[in-house]
Amino acid sequence: DAGVIQSPRHEVTEMGQEVTLRCKPISGHNSLFWYRQTMMRGLELLIYFNNNVPIDDSGMPEDRFSAKMPNASFSTLKIQPSEPRDSAVYFCASSLGRRTGELFFGEGSRLTVL
Amino acid sequence: KQEVTQIPAALSVPEGENLVLNCSFTDSAIYNLQWFRQDPGKGLTSLLLIQSSQREQTSGRLNASLDKSSGRSTLYIAASQPGDSATYLCVPETGANNLFFGTGTRLTVIP
Repeated sequence: DAGVIQSPRHEVTEMGQEVTLRCKPISGHNSLFWYRQTMMRGLELLIYFNNNVPIDDSGMPEDRFSAKMPNASFSTLKIQPSEPRDSAVYFCASSLGRRTGELFFGEGSRLTVL
Repeated sequence: KQEVTQIPAALSVPEGENLVLNCSFTDSAIYNLQWFRQDPGKGLTSLLLIQSSQREQTSGRLNASLDKSSGRSTLYIAASQPGDSATYLCVPETGANNLFFGTGTRLTVIP
């Protein structure tokens, strides 16, 4: 298996623009997580899905952030409008079950908002 | 709320040395604890997963121990190599998908 695949790897955009980050989890995994990593705050859980259903989105910073999982093999994290403070590395991770067990991370999408 | 502390924050050792990374957590009611490594500009790679009922797990040169009652875990790396240079994160899980990430120990192994 290719592992968790994220795109784009790098995104540079201007404040106010819409940003869409994409994730393909490992086939057969039914839990998917979006994390954000910054130097100041470390890794923060934004949202996680189980069987394509959002279970906990309490970590989503504000209404500018939204996430979808239309099917078991694809998820998006959208920021609209983007702000400079959204600059971070966004990681997607997947696992076999809701009680995570081993968590597999993608290589991340580095977002820079100017 | 679970708080995770990793000591030391950074460690530099010569190649071949055995070393121990320490982790402490405040809420001992955990389901499991994972150790991850993160290379610069990369995602996290799971190294070892210890279930709450276990005391230790081993994988190659790595051995992780868990003392749940005292809220401590250690990662032992034997015969360190330059390729072990990375940041190591201790991640206890409390409740369904409540994973708490420490700030990590940045390890440098000098050839």
